[in-house]
Order: sequence, then C-alpha cells, then structure tokens
Amino acid sequence: EAGVAQSPRYKIIEKRQSVAFWCNPISGHATLYWYQQILGQGPKLLIQFQNNGVVDDSQLPKDRFSAERLKGVDSTLKIQPAKLEDSAVYLCASSLAALNTEAFFGQGTRLTVV
Amino acid sequence: AQKVTQAQTEISVVEKEDVTLDCVYETRDTTYYLFWYKQPPSGELVFLIRRNSFDEQNEISGRYSWNFQKSTSSFNFTITASQVVDSAVYFCALSGEEGTDKLIFGTGTRLQVFP
Repeated sequence: EAGVAQSPRYKIIEKRQSVAFWCNPISGHATLYWYQQILGQGPKLLIQFQNNGVVDDSQLPKDRFSAERLKGVDSTLKIQPAKLEDSAVYLCASSLAALNTEAFFGQGTRLTVV
Repeated sequence: AQKVTQAQTEISVVEKEDVTLDCVYETRDTTYYLFWYKQPPSGELVFLIRRNSFDEQNEISGRYSWNFQKSTSSFNFTITASQVVDSAVYFCALSGEEGTDKLIFGTGTRLQVFP
C-alpha cells in the first residue's frame, strides 16, 4: 500500500515570496491533515479536512496561509507571502474517517525562508 | 486545554540498555486517546501505539512496552535492549477534543543509541 506522498521534499525561498506544497493521501482516507513542525518542537495542526470540507483551521494563519483539497483527494497548502518564522517542516497526514484512528504521515516538506 | 509534556529533551544510551521515555498529559476530556510516534532521520512520523482512556492495561510489543497510569496522567514508553536502529525522536500525542481528532504533540525526546 502506497503511503502519503508529499512534494517537494525541500524548498528554499526568500521572504515575501510565495510557495505551495502538495500532498497525496493514502487511497480511501477521508481525513487529511497539514501539520507544521518547527525545529525542536512537536508538530502543530494547521488544518484538517474531512473529504473536501474543513473540520478545523483554528491554528491556520489565514492572512498568509491557505489550503484546499480538491475532490476530497489531493491537497495543496500555500503560503503567500512567506515570513522567516514560516521556516519549518510541513507534514501531511491522512486517516480513515473514524474518530481518533491512526494517522499516517508523509515525509514532509522542509521549507527554509531566507 | 490539552497539553502533553515530554520533559526529557535528549537521552543517550549504549546498545542493549533499557530506556524509558516519559510522557505526562493534561486534559479535561473523559474520553481521550494517547499515541506514541517515532520520527527517524528520514522525517516521517511512524505510528507506534494508540491507547484509549478506558484501557489502562499495559501493552507489550516485542521490545516495546507502554505503561498507562491515569492516576498520574502518564503514558510512558520503555524500549528493552535498545538497538542503534531505535535512534530517533519519539513523540507522545493526545487527542480527544470533542468534534475533531487532531493530535496534540509533546516536544519530543531525542533518543541516541550508541553501539
């Protein structure tokens, strides 16, 4: 079974530029998450989708971050404009629809903003 | 508010030693779930275990064991006879906030196992 796929693996941009990350969840997983992991910290949820609807985006900085999940499958996370403090690993995860089931994580995209 | 505390930032052991990673949580929910994830250098989080708040039985899986104690709000993880391949960052996480199943992670414990 294929895991959660993310691209790119690494990205370096200048502050004020924009960037987009892509995630393909495990086939059949209705729930998709984007987490931000700053160096030395645990992952923090940015947004959670159930199919193509948003369940929780309370910690998403909506002035600069946006995310969508077209047709309830793939998802993209965008940052525009980026700030230095956005440097982090962005992890995508997916799980079956049932509450509190195991989430499977991708390898993440490491973003460096200079 | 929910919170997970992993007080040990980094632990170093020599191969074959036993090691325990501590996890203390805070929640007002009566139903909640606790998780452990492993993050090797490759970066992805690997699921190790999920335990619900009604099941306080300890669990053993090979060299891994978990001790869940509601009375002290702890969910500790022990690796017996550690191996170099166990070197990674280990995260404890909590979920159960009504309406969502998002994970609240601790700050992680970096385990280094030396040969």
